[in-house]
Amino acid sequence: GENVGLHLPTLSVQEGDNSIINCAYSNSASDYFIWYKQESGKGPQFIIDIRSNMDKRQGQRVTVLLNKTVKHLSLQIAATQPGDSAVYFCAENEGYSTLTFGKGTMLLVSP
Amino acid sequence: DVKVTQSSRYLVKRTGEKVFLECVQDMDHENMFWYRQDPGLGLRLIYFSYDVKMKEKGDIPEGYSVSREKKERFSLILESASTNQTSMYLCASRTGGTYNEQFFGPGTRLTVL
Repeated sequence: GENVGLHLPTLSVQEGDNSIINCAYSNSASDYFIWYKQESGKGPQFIIDIRSNMDKRQGQRVTVLLNKTVKHLSLQIAATQPGDSAVYFCAENEGYSTLTFGKGTMLLVSP
Repeated sequence: DVKVTQSSRYLVKRTGEKVFLECVQDMDHENMFWYRQDPGLGLRLIYFSYDVKMKEKGDIPEGYSVSREKKERFSLILESASTNQTSMYLCASRTGGTYNEQFFGPGTRLTVL
């Protein structure tokens, strides 16, 4: 939504920098994780996912790292661009249950 | 290209009105979901459906109901709208089973006066 970024932690980077967005999840039994990107006024958009039997997965300019020991997920964006400015949030899932979403982080990219 | 569409982007209603929010997906997905999104609270699940005619309460079902008469369509109903239901409403769908991503619609920004 338009004001979904209010009250969120913010990461400010320069264009061309690498960005790292972190997420702590709550359920040690979660076995599937997704990162979403939400631009102002739009619905969340799938970026990348990872299953619990993996530690790392790479996409185009994005990498997701999963540390099950400390229940931590991170999203790395290489060569961040102004178009990457958005709210990013993680989601976790256990088996056939519904997704549980994090609150999100706002990424601001300066030209 | 996968698509989840919602009937309105912006909607303004008055307190006490009955409100229908429609969601349609063209991916033949079994599962459909309704969320509301509010600043500081993130995405909260209102209702979901695993298949036609089926519905399950999510985390905040009070004041809402749903209808799933056809596989591609999932409707959210506010029986008597109240000002605290002013929010962004997001519909999503996914195929059944595990390890399947969830696709979202563009959202409906509802204002109740």
